[in-house]
Amino acid sequence: DAGVIQSPRHEVTEMGQEVTLRCKPISGHNSLFWYRQTMMRGLELLIYFNNNVPIDDSGMPEDRFSAKMPNASFSTLKIQPSEPRDSAVYFCASSPRWGRNQPQHFGDGTRLSIL
Amino acid sequence: QKEVEQNSGPLSVPEGAIASLNCTYSDRGSQSFFWYRQYSGKSPELIMFIYSNGDKEDGRFTAQLNKASQYVSLLIRDSQPSDSATYLCAVAGGTSYGKLTFGQGTILTVHP
Repeated sequence: DAGVIQSPRHEVTEMGQEVTLRCKPISGHNSLFWYRQTMMRGLELLIYFNNNVPIDDSGMPEDRFSAKMPNASFSTLKIQPSEPRDSAVYFCASSPRWGRNQPQHFGDGTRLSIL
Repeated sequence: QKEVEQNSGPLSVPEGAIASLNCTYSDRGSQSFFWYRQYSGKSPELIMFIYSNGDKEDGRFTAQLNKASQYVSLLIRDSQPSDSATYLCAVAGGTSYGKLTFGQGTILTVHP
């Protein structure tokens, strides 16, 4: 079975450029989560969706960050304009349903470097 | 106080020993607890979850939960060098119903 698929795996771009990260959740999973991981701050939840609807975006650091989920099989996280402090590994995860007992399954991540 | 706290380690154990990883959490209403393993440069991988007080065993792994003490642990028996990784504790429920709150992780090194 295909897991969570993220693209690109690596992204290097210059400060000020727009960055779009993509995620395909596991088929049949209804909840999708975007995380950012850095050495200093660990794994931080940015935003999550249930049935394609954003539930909580309080973790989004600034207005430069936006996320969409136009359908059940695709989500994007966009940073515009990008800054060097946005450099991190960005993970997408999905779970079967919304709930406290639902384990989340992670994609391989996108390693983002902003120069 | 952090919501989920783990000793960052590194925890070093010899091959064949029992590795004990600990996690405490602050939200008394938390109800679900997960352990993830993350190899360097890889994504977190779910290895165990526990919802009820007591022990839950899966192969060489045992998760232990004590809600009264707000404490969850992971024991790895017969540790192998391939177990060397960062172990992340994650908590859900309470004020963060469907969200997972992660600890900073404990680095485990199993040396031959």
